This record gives sequence, C-alpha cells and structure tokens, in this order.
Amino acid sequence: AQTVTQSQPEMSVQEAETVTLSCTYDTSESDYYLFWYKQPPSRQMILVIRQEAYKQQNATENRFSVNFQKAAKSFSLKISDSQLGDAAMYFCAHTTNTGNQFYFGTGTSLTVIP
Amino acid sequence: SAVISQKPSRDICQRGTSLTIQCQVDSQVTMMFWYRQQPGQSLTLIATANQGSEATYESGFVIDKFPISRPNLTFSTLTVSNMSPEDSSIYLCSVERAYYNEQFFGPGTRLTVL
Repeated sequence: AQTVTQSQPEMSVQEAETVTLSCTYDTSESDYYLFWYKQPPSRQMILVIRQEAYKQQNATENRFSVNFQKAAKSFSLKISDSQLGDAAMYFCAHTTNTGNQFYFGTGTSLTVIP
Repeated sequence: SAVISQKPSRDICQRGTSLTIQCQVDSQVTMMFWYRQQPGQSLTLIATANQGSEATYESGFVIDKFPISRPNLTFSTLTVSNMSPEDSSIYLCSVERAYYNEQFFGPGTRLTVL
C-alpha cells in the first residue's frame, strides 16, 4: 500500500528563521517521485519542489530544499529564511512511475510569526 | 506549467440539487483528475478522466453521484448529484505534466450544501 504520513499537524517559525517539515512514506516501488505542495488560504495548490527517487542528490529550489532519505523512506522539507508568504498548508505527496495516482499526506499548517 | 481554471469558484446549494463544475486547461492534456478536499482534510482522488473513455472512479465514489464528462483534451466537468451537507468540500481538478509525473491544480471550487 502506498501511504504518506505527516506527523506535524501544525508548525510555526519566526520570520527569517528555518523550519523543517517532516514526511514519511511507504511504497514497494523502486521508481517513484516525491513532492511538496503548498496550499495558501487562496486554496490554490502550488508545487514547491519535487524529488526523483533514483536521484541521490537532494532537490533544491531557492529557499526550499529537501532531505531525502530513501532507506528510511523519509522526505522532509526545509524552508530557509522564512517569509510571511510561506504561511500555508504544506502537503507531501508521492506517486509511482507506473501510475498516475497521487497519494497525499494529511498536511502541515505552517504559521510564520513576524 | 499548465494554466487551469475552474467555474464556479464557489457556490452555495440546497440539499437534493446538483452542481456541475467546469475545468478548463490552456493546453491539451491526456489525463485530468478530480479531487475532493473536505474541510481541514487532505486531498482524496475522486476519479481520473481520459478523453474518449469512461472515467475511472476510486473506491467510495460512483458515477451516479459524481458523473464526469471529458469531451475534449482541454475540458472536463464534474457533477455533484443529489447533494447533501456531507458533500460540502473543495473540489479540485488537476492535470498531469507529461514525462514529469507532476500534477498541476486548478484553483478549486468551494461548495457549501445547506
């Protein structure tokens, strides 16, 4: 079974500080993809970052980076220099290379404190 | 990335009525997806819509309740039939970015059933 677990329902961070959001997943596939999506109050789902399982190098997009631990099936998101606009729900998601089904975690609500 | 629009953006409906949600993409896509996001919850896939074939429904969702049309490669509709207050949710459509295993989401339709 494909599952995605986000154990932190809520997180907060001071503006300009760094925060890490946790995600673990379960899959029997060897080839798969992992994503972090952001959903601000406008409810538009925005792709933040993606990671291919076959790549050992952690993905980075500006202030966003991941710590991908394949053996541990862990995929955390680090947000550096947090900004007020980063406040949102963050969803971790997983899909395989053989299908189109996306599996989403339950989300982490991030608050950025000025 | 694809630009996706949804209509209506929100609606308030009476119990027992039906609502059709439209999803328009600015480019041709093979697969379109419909998700439901209940208040404070994660996303749940309702069905996958391929052009020229019947939609594929996930467990717990049936065609009589959520009929889907996919008349061409840029458009799809989802109808929520015989609504009850339990159908109050955000409904999102998404499309797959070919070869990248990514999904891009529309802005969502917030449905409230009284």
